[in-house]
Amino acid sequence: GDSVTQMEGPVTLSEEAFLTINCTYTATGYPSLFWYVQYPGEGLQLLLKATKADDKGSNKGFEATYRKETTSFHLEKGSVQVSDSAVYFCALSATLNDYKLSFGAGTTVTVRA
Amino acid sequence: DTGVSQDPRHKITKRGQNVTFRCDPISEHNRLYWYRQTLGQGPEFLTYFQNEAQLEKSRLLSDRFSAERPKGSFSTLEIQRTEQGDSAMYLCASSLGDLAKNIQYFGAGTRLSVL
Repeated sequence: GDSVTQMEGPVTLSEEAFLTINCTYTATGYPSLFWYVQYPGEGLQLLLKATKADDKGSNKGFEATYRKETTSFHLEKGSVQVSDSAVYFCALSATLNDYKLSFGAGTTVTVRA
Repeated sequence: DTGVSQDPRHKITKRGQNVTFRCDPISEHNRLYWYRQTLGQGPEFLTYFQNEAQLEKSRLLSDRFSAERPKGSFSTLEIQRTEQGDSAMYLCASSLGDLAKNIQYFGAGTRLSVL
């Protein structure tokens, strides 16, 4: 079935460091891909998305590019802040007619001052 | 726009009891979803509604689980004869029926603890 595998955590970084979280997917069709973020004590929030190959999603300094050839959607940020400490989830919806999201297990990121 | 609201935030119950959770979606959203999240895992899809119609149910949704959305607005998720394995965070999300976007907005969840 359709699934997402993301890099295990936890990840601990210093402020201004470069962050990358790997995400690969398995899907039979052409999925839409998402990154959601969960800040401490809050609900899941959409961070960015991409709906077709080579699309780049970006938001709050984060970027991810939909790579069909490597079935990947890695999340990157060039200079993290303490406020980026959160749990990050990669997710997919398998086709445009399939609304349910399949999530990865999440990666906990802690940024130290 | 007040966001997706879930009630209660926490529920502690004894094994064998029934529990019911409520979700109020964003007002103009016609799709509503339920997910379950256990510790250290990502959310797992349970079921979803388009307006009042329940269109899909996961195999995770055993006979003890039932969900309703009677007027296409709020939804309830009931678990009968709770088991310790039901302990989890139950998340609700809503979205517009926009095929090109499918942006789901999540509530803060209801944390269920079955003793």
